[in-house]
Amino acid sequence: DTGVSQDPRHKITKRGQNVTFRCDPISEHNRLYWYRQTLGQGPEFLTYFQNEAQLEKSRLLSDRFSAERPKGSFSTLEIQRTEQGDSAMYLCASSGIGWSSTDTQYFGPGTRLTVL
Amino acid sequence: QKEVEQNSGPLSVPEGAIASLNCTYSDRVSQSFFWYRQYSGKSPELIMSIYSNGDKEDGRFTAQLNKASQYVSLLIRDSQPSDSATYLCAVDYMKTSYDKVIFGPGTSLSVIP
Repeated sequence: DTGVSQDPRHKITKRGQNVTFRCDPISEHNRLYWYRQTLGQGPEFLTYFQNEAQLEKSRLLSDRFSAERPKGSFSTLEIQRTEQGDSAMYLCASSGIGWSSTDTQYFGPGTRLTVL
Repeated sequence: QKEVEQNSGPLSVPEGAIASLNCTYSDRVSQSFFWYRQYSGKSPELIMSIYSNGDKEDGRFTAQLNKASQYVSLLIRDSQPSDSATYLCAVDYMKTSYDKVIFGPGTSLSVIP
């Protein structure tokens, strides 16, 4: 399978715990995005990498959220001290072998986080 | 005004009818427009992209773009029950240092057999 993969697919945690999600993009893509989606809403932009550089981070992303893409390949999203409001689907997407950052984005299956 | 707006629906159409989905956007300099389909519990998948004013057809799907009116639509001809899903409009957003894509809230479509 050469699509975008995410791990885990589901995560249940208790409030206050830390969680980490992983995304493996399509191998030749140099851009990687993280989104959060809650029921009845479209994907909400969280952050964006071009290769290993994190070029933009949403104002919605509190200091409890951090993302890395250390070698320009896979990425991790960590949430520290989780809160019930963090419960959502976390989507990763990748795109682009060229200059345009608005090339088609291909989404992974998502990680569904439930904070109890 | 939100960057990308869509009617939340649900929009119900009978099988075989034309479904019309609408989207408006606020950034006048947007150049790239996308329609994604999302089945319940699944991730979004691209249906069509459109960059120029006018119509773009792909099978049963037609995207229409009017940049002057800041309006983009998706028509689905001969609607099938398998088309029942949420349709997300996405628009590139140029008002930050690095352009990115903003998604609308989606329109839920139900095709009734």
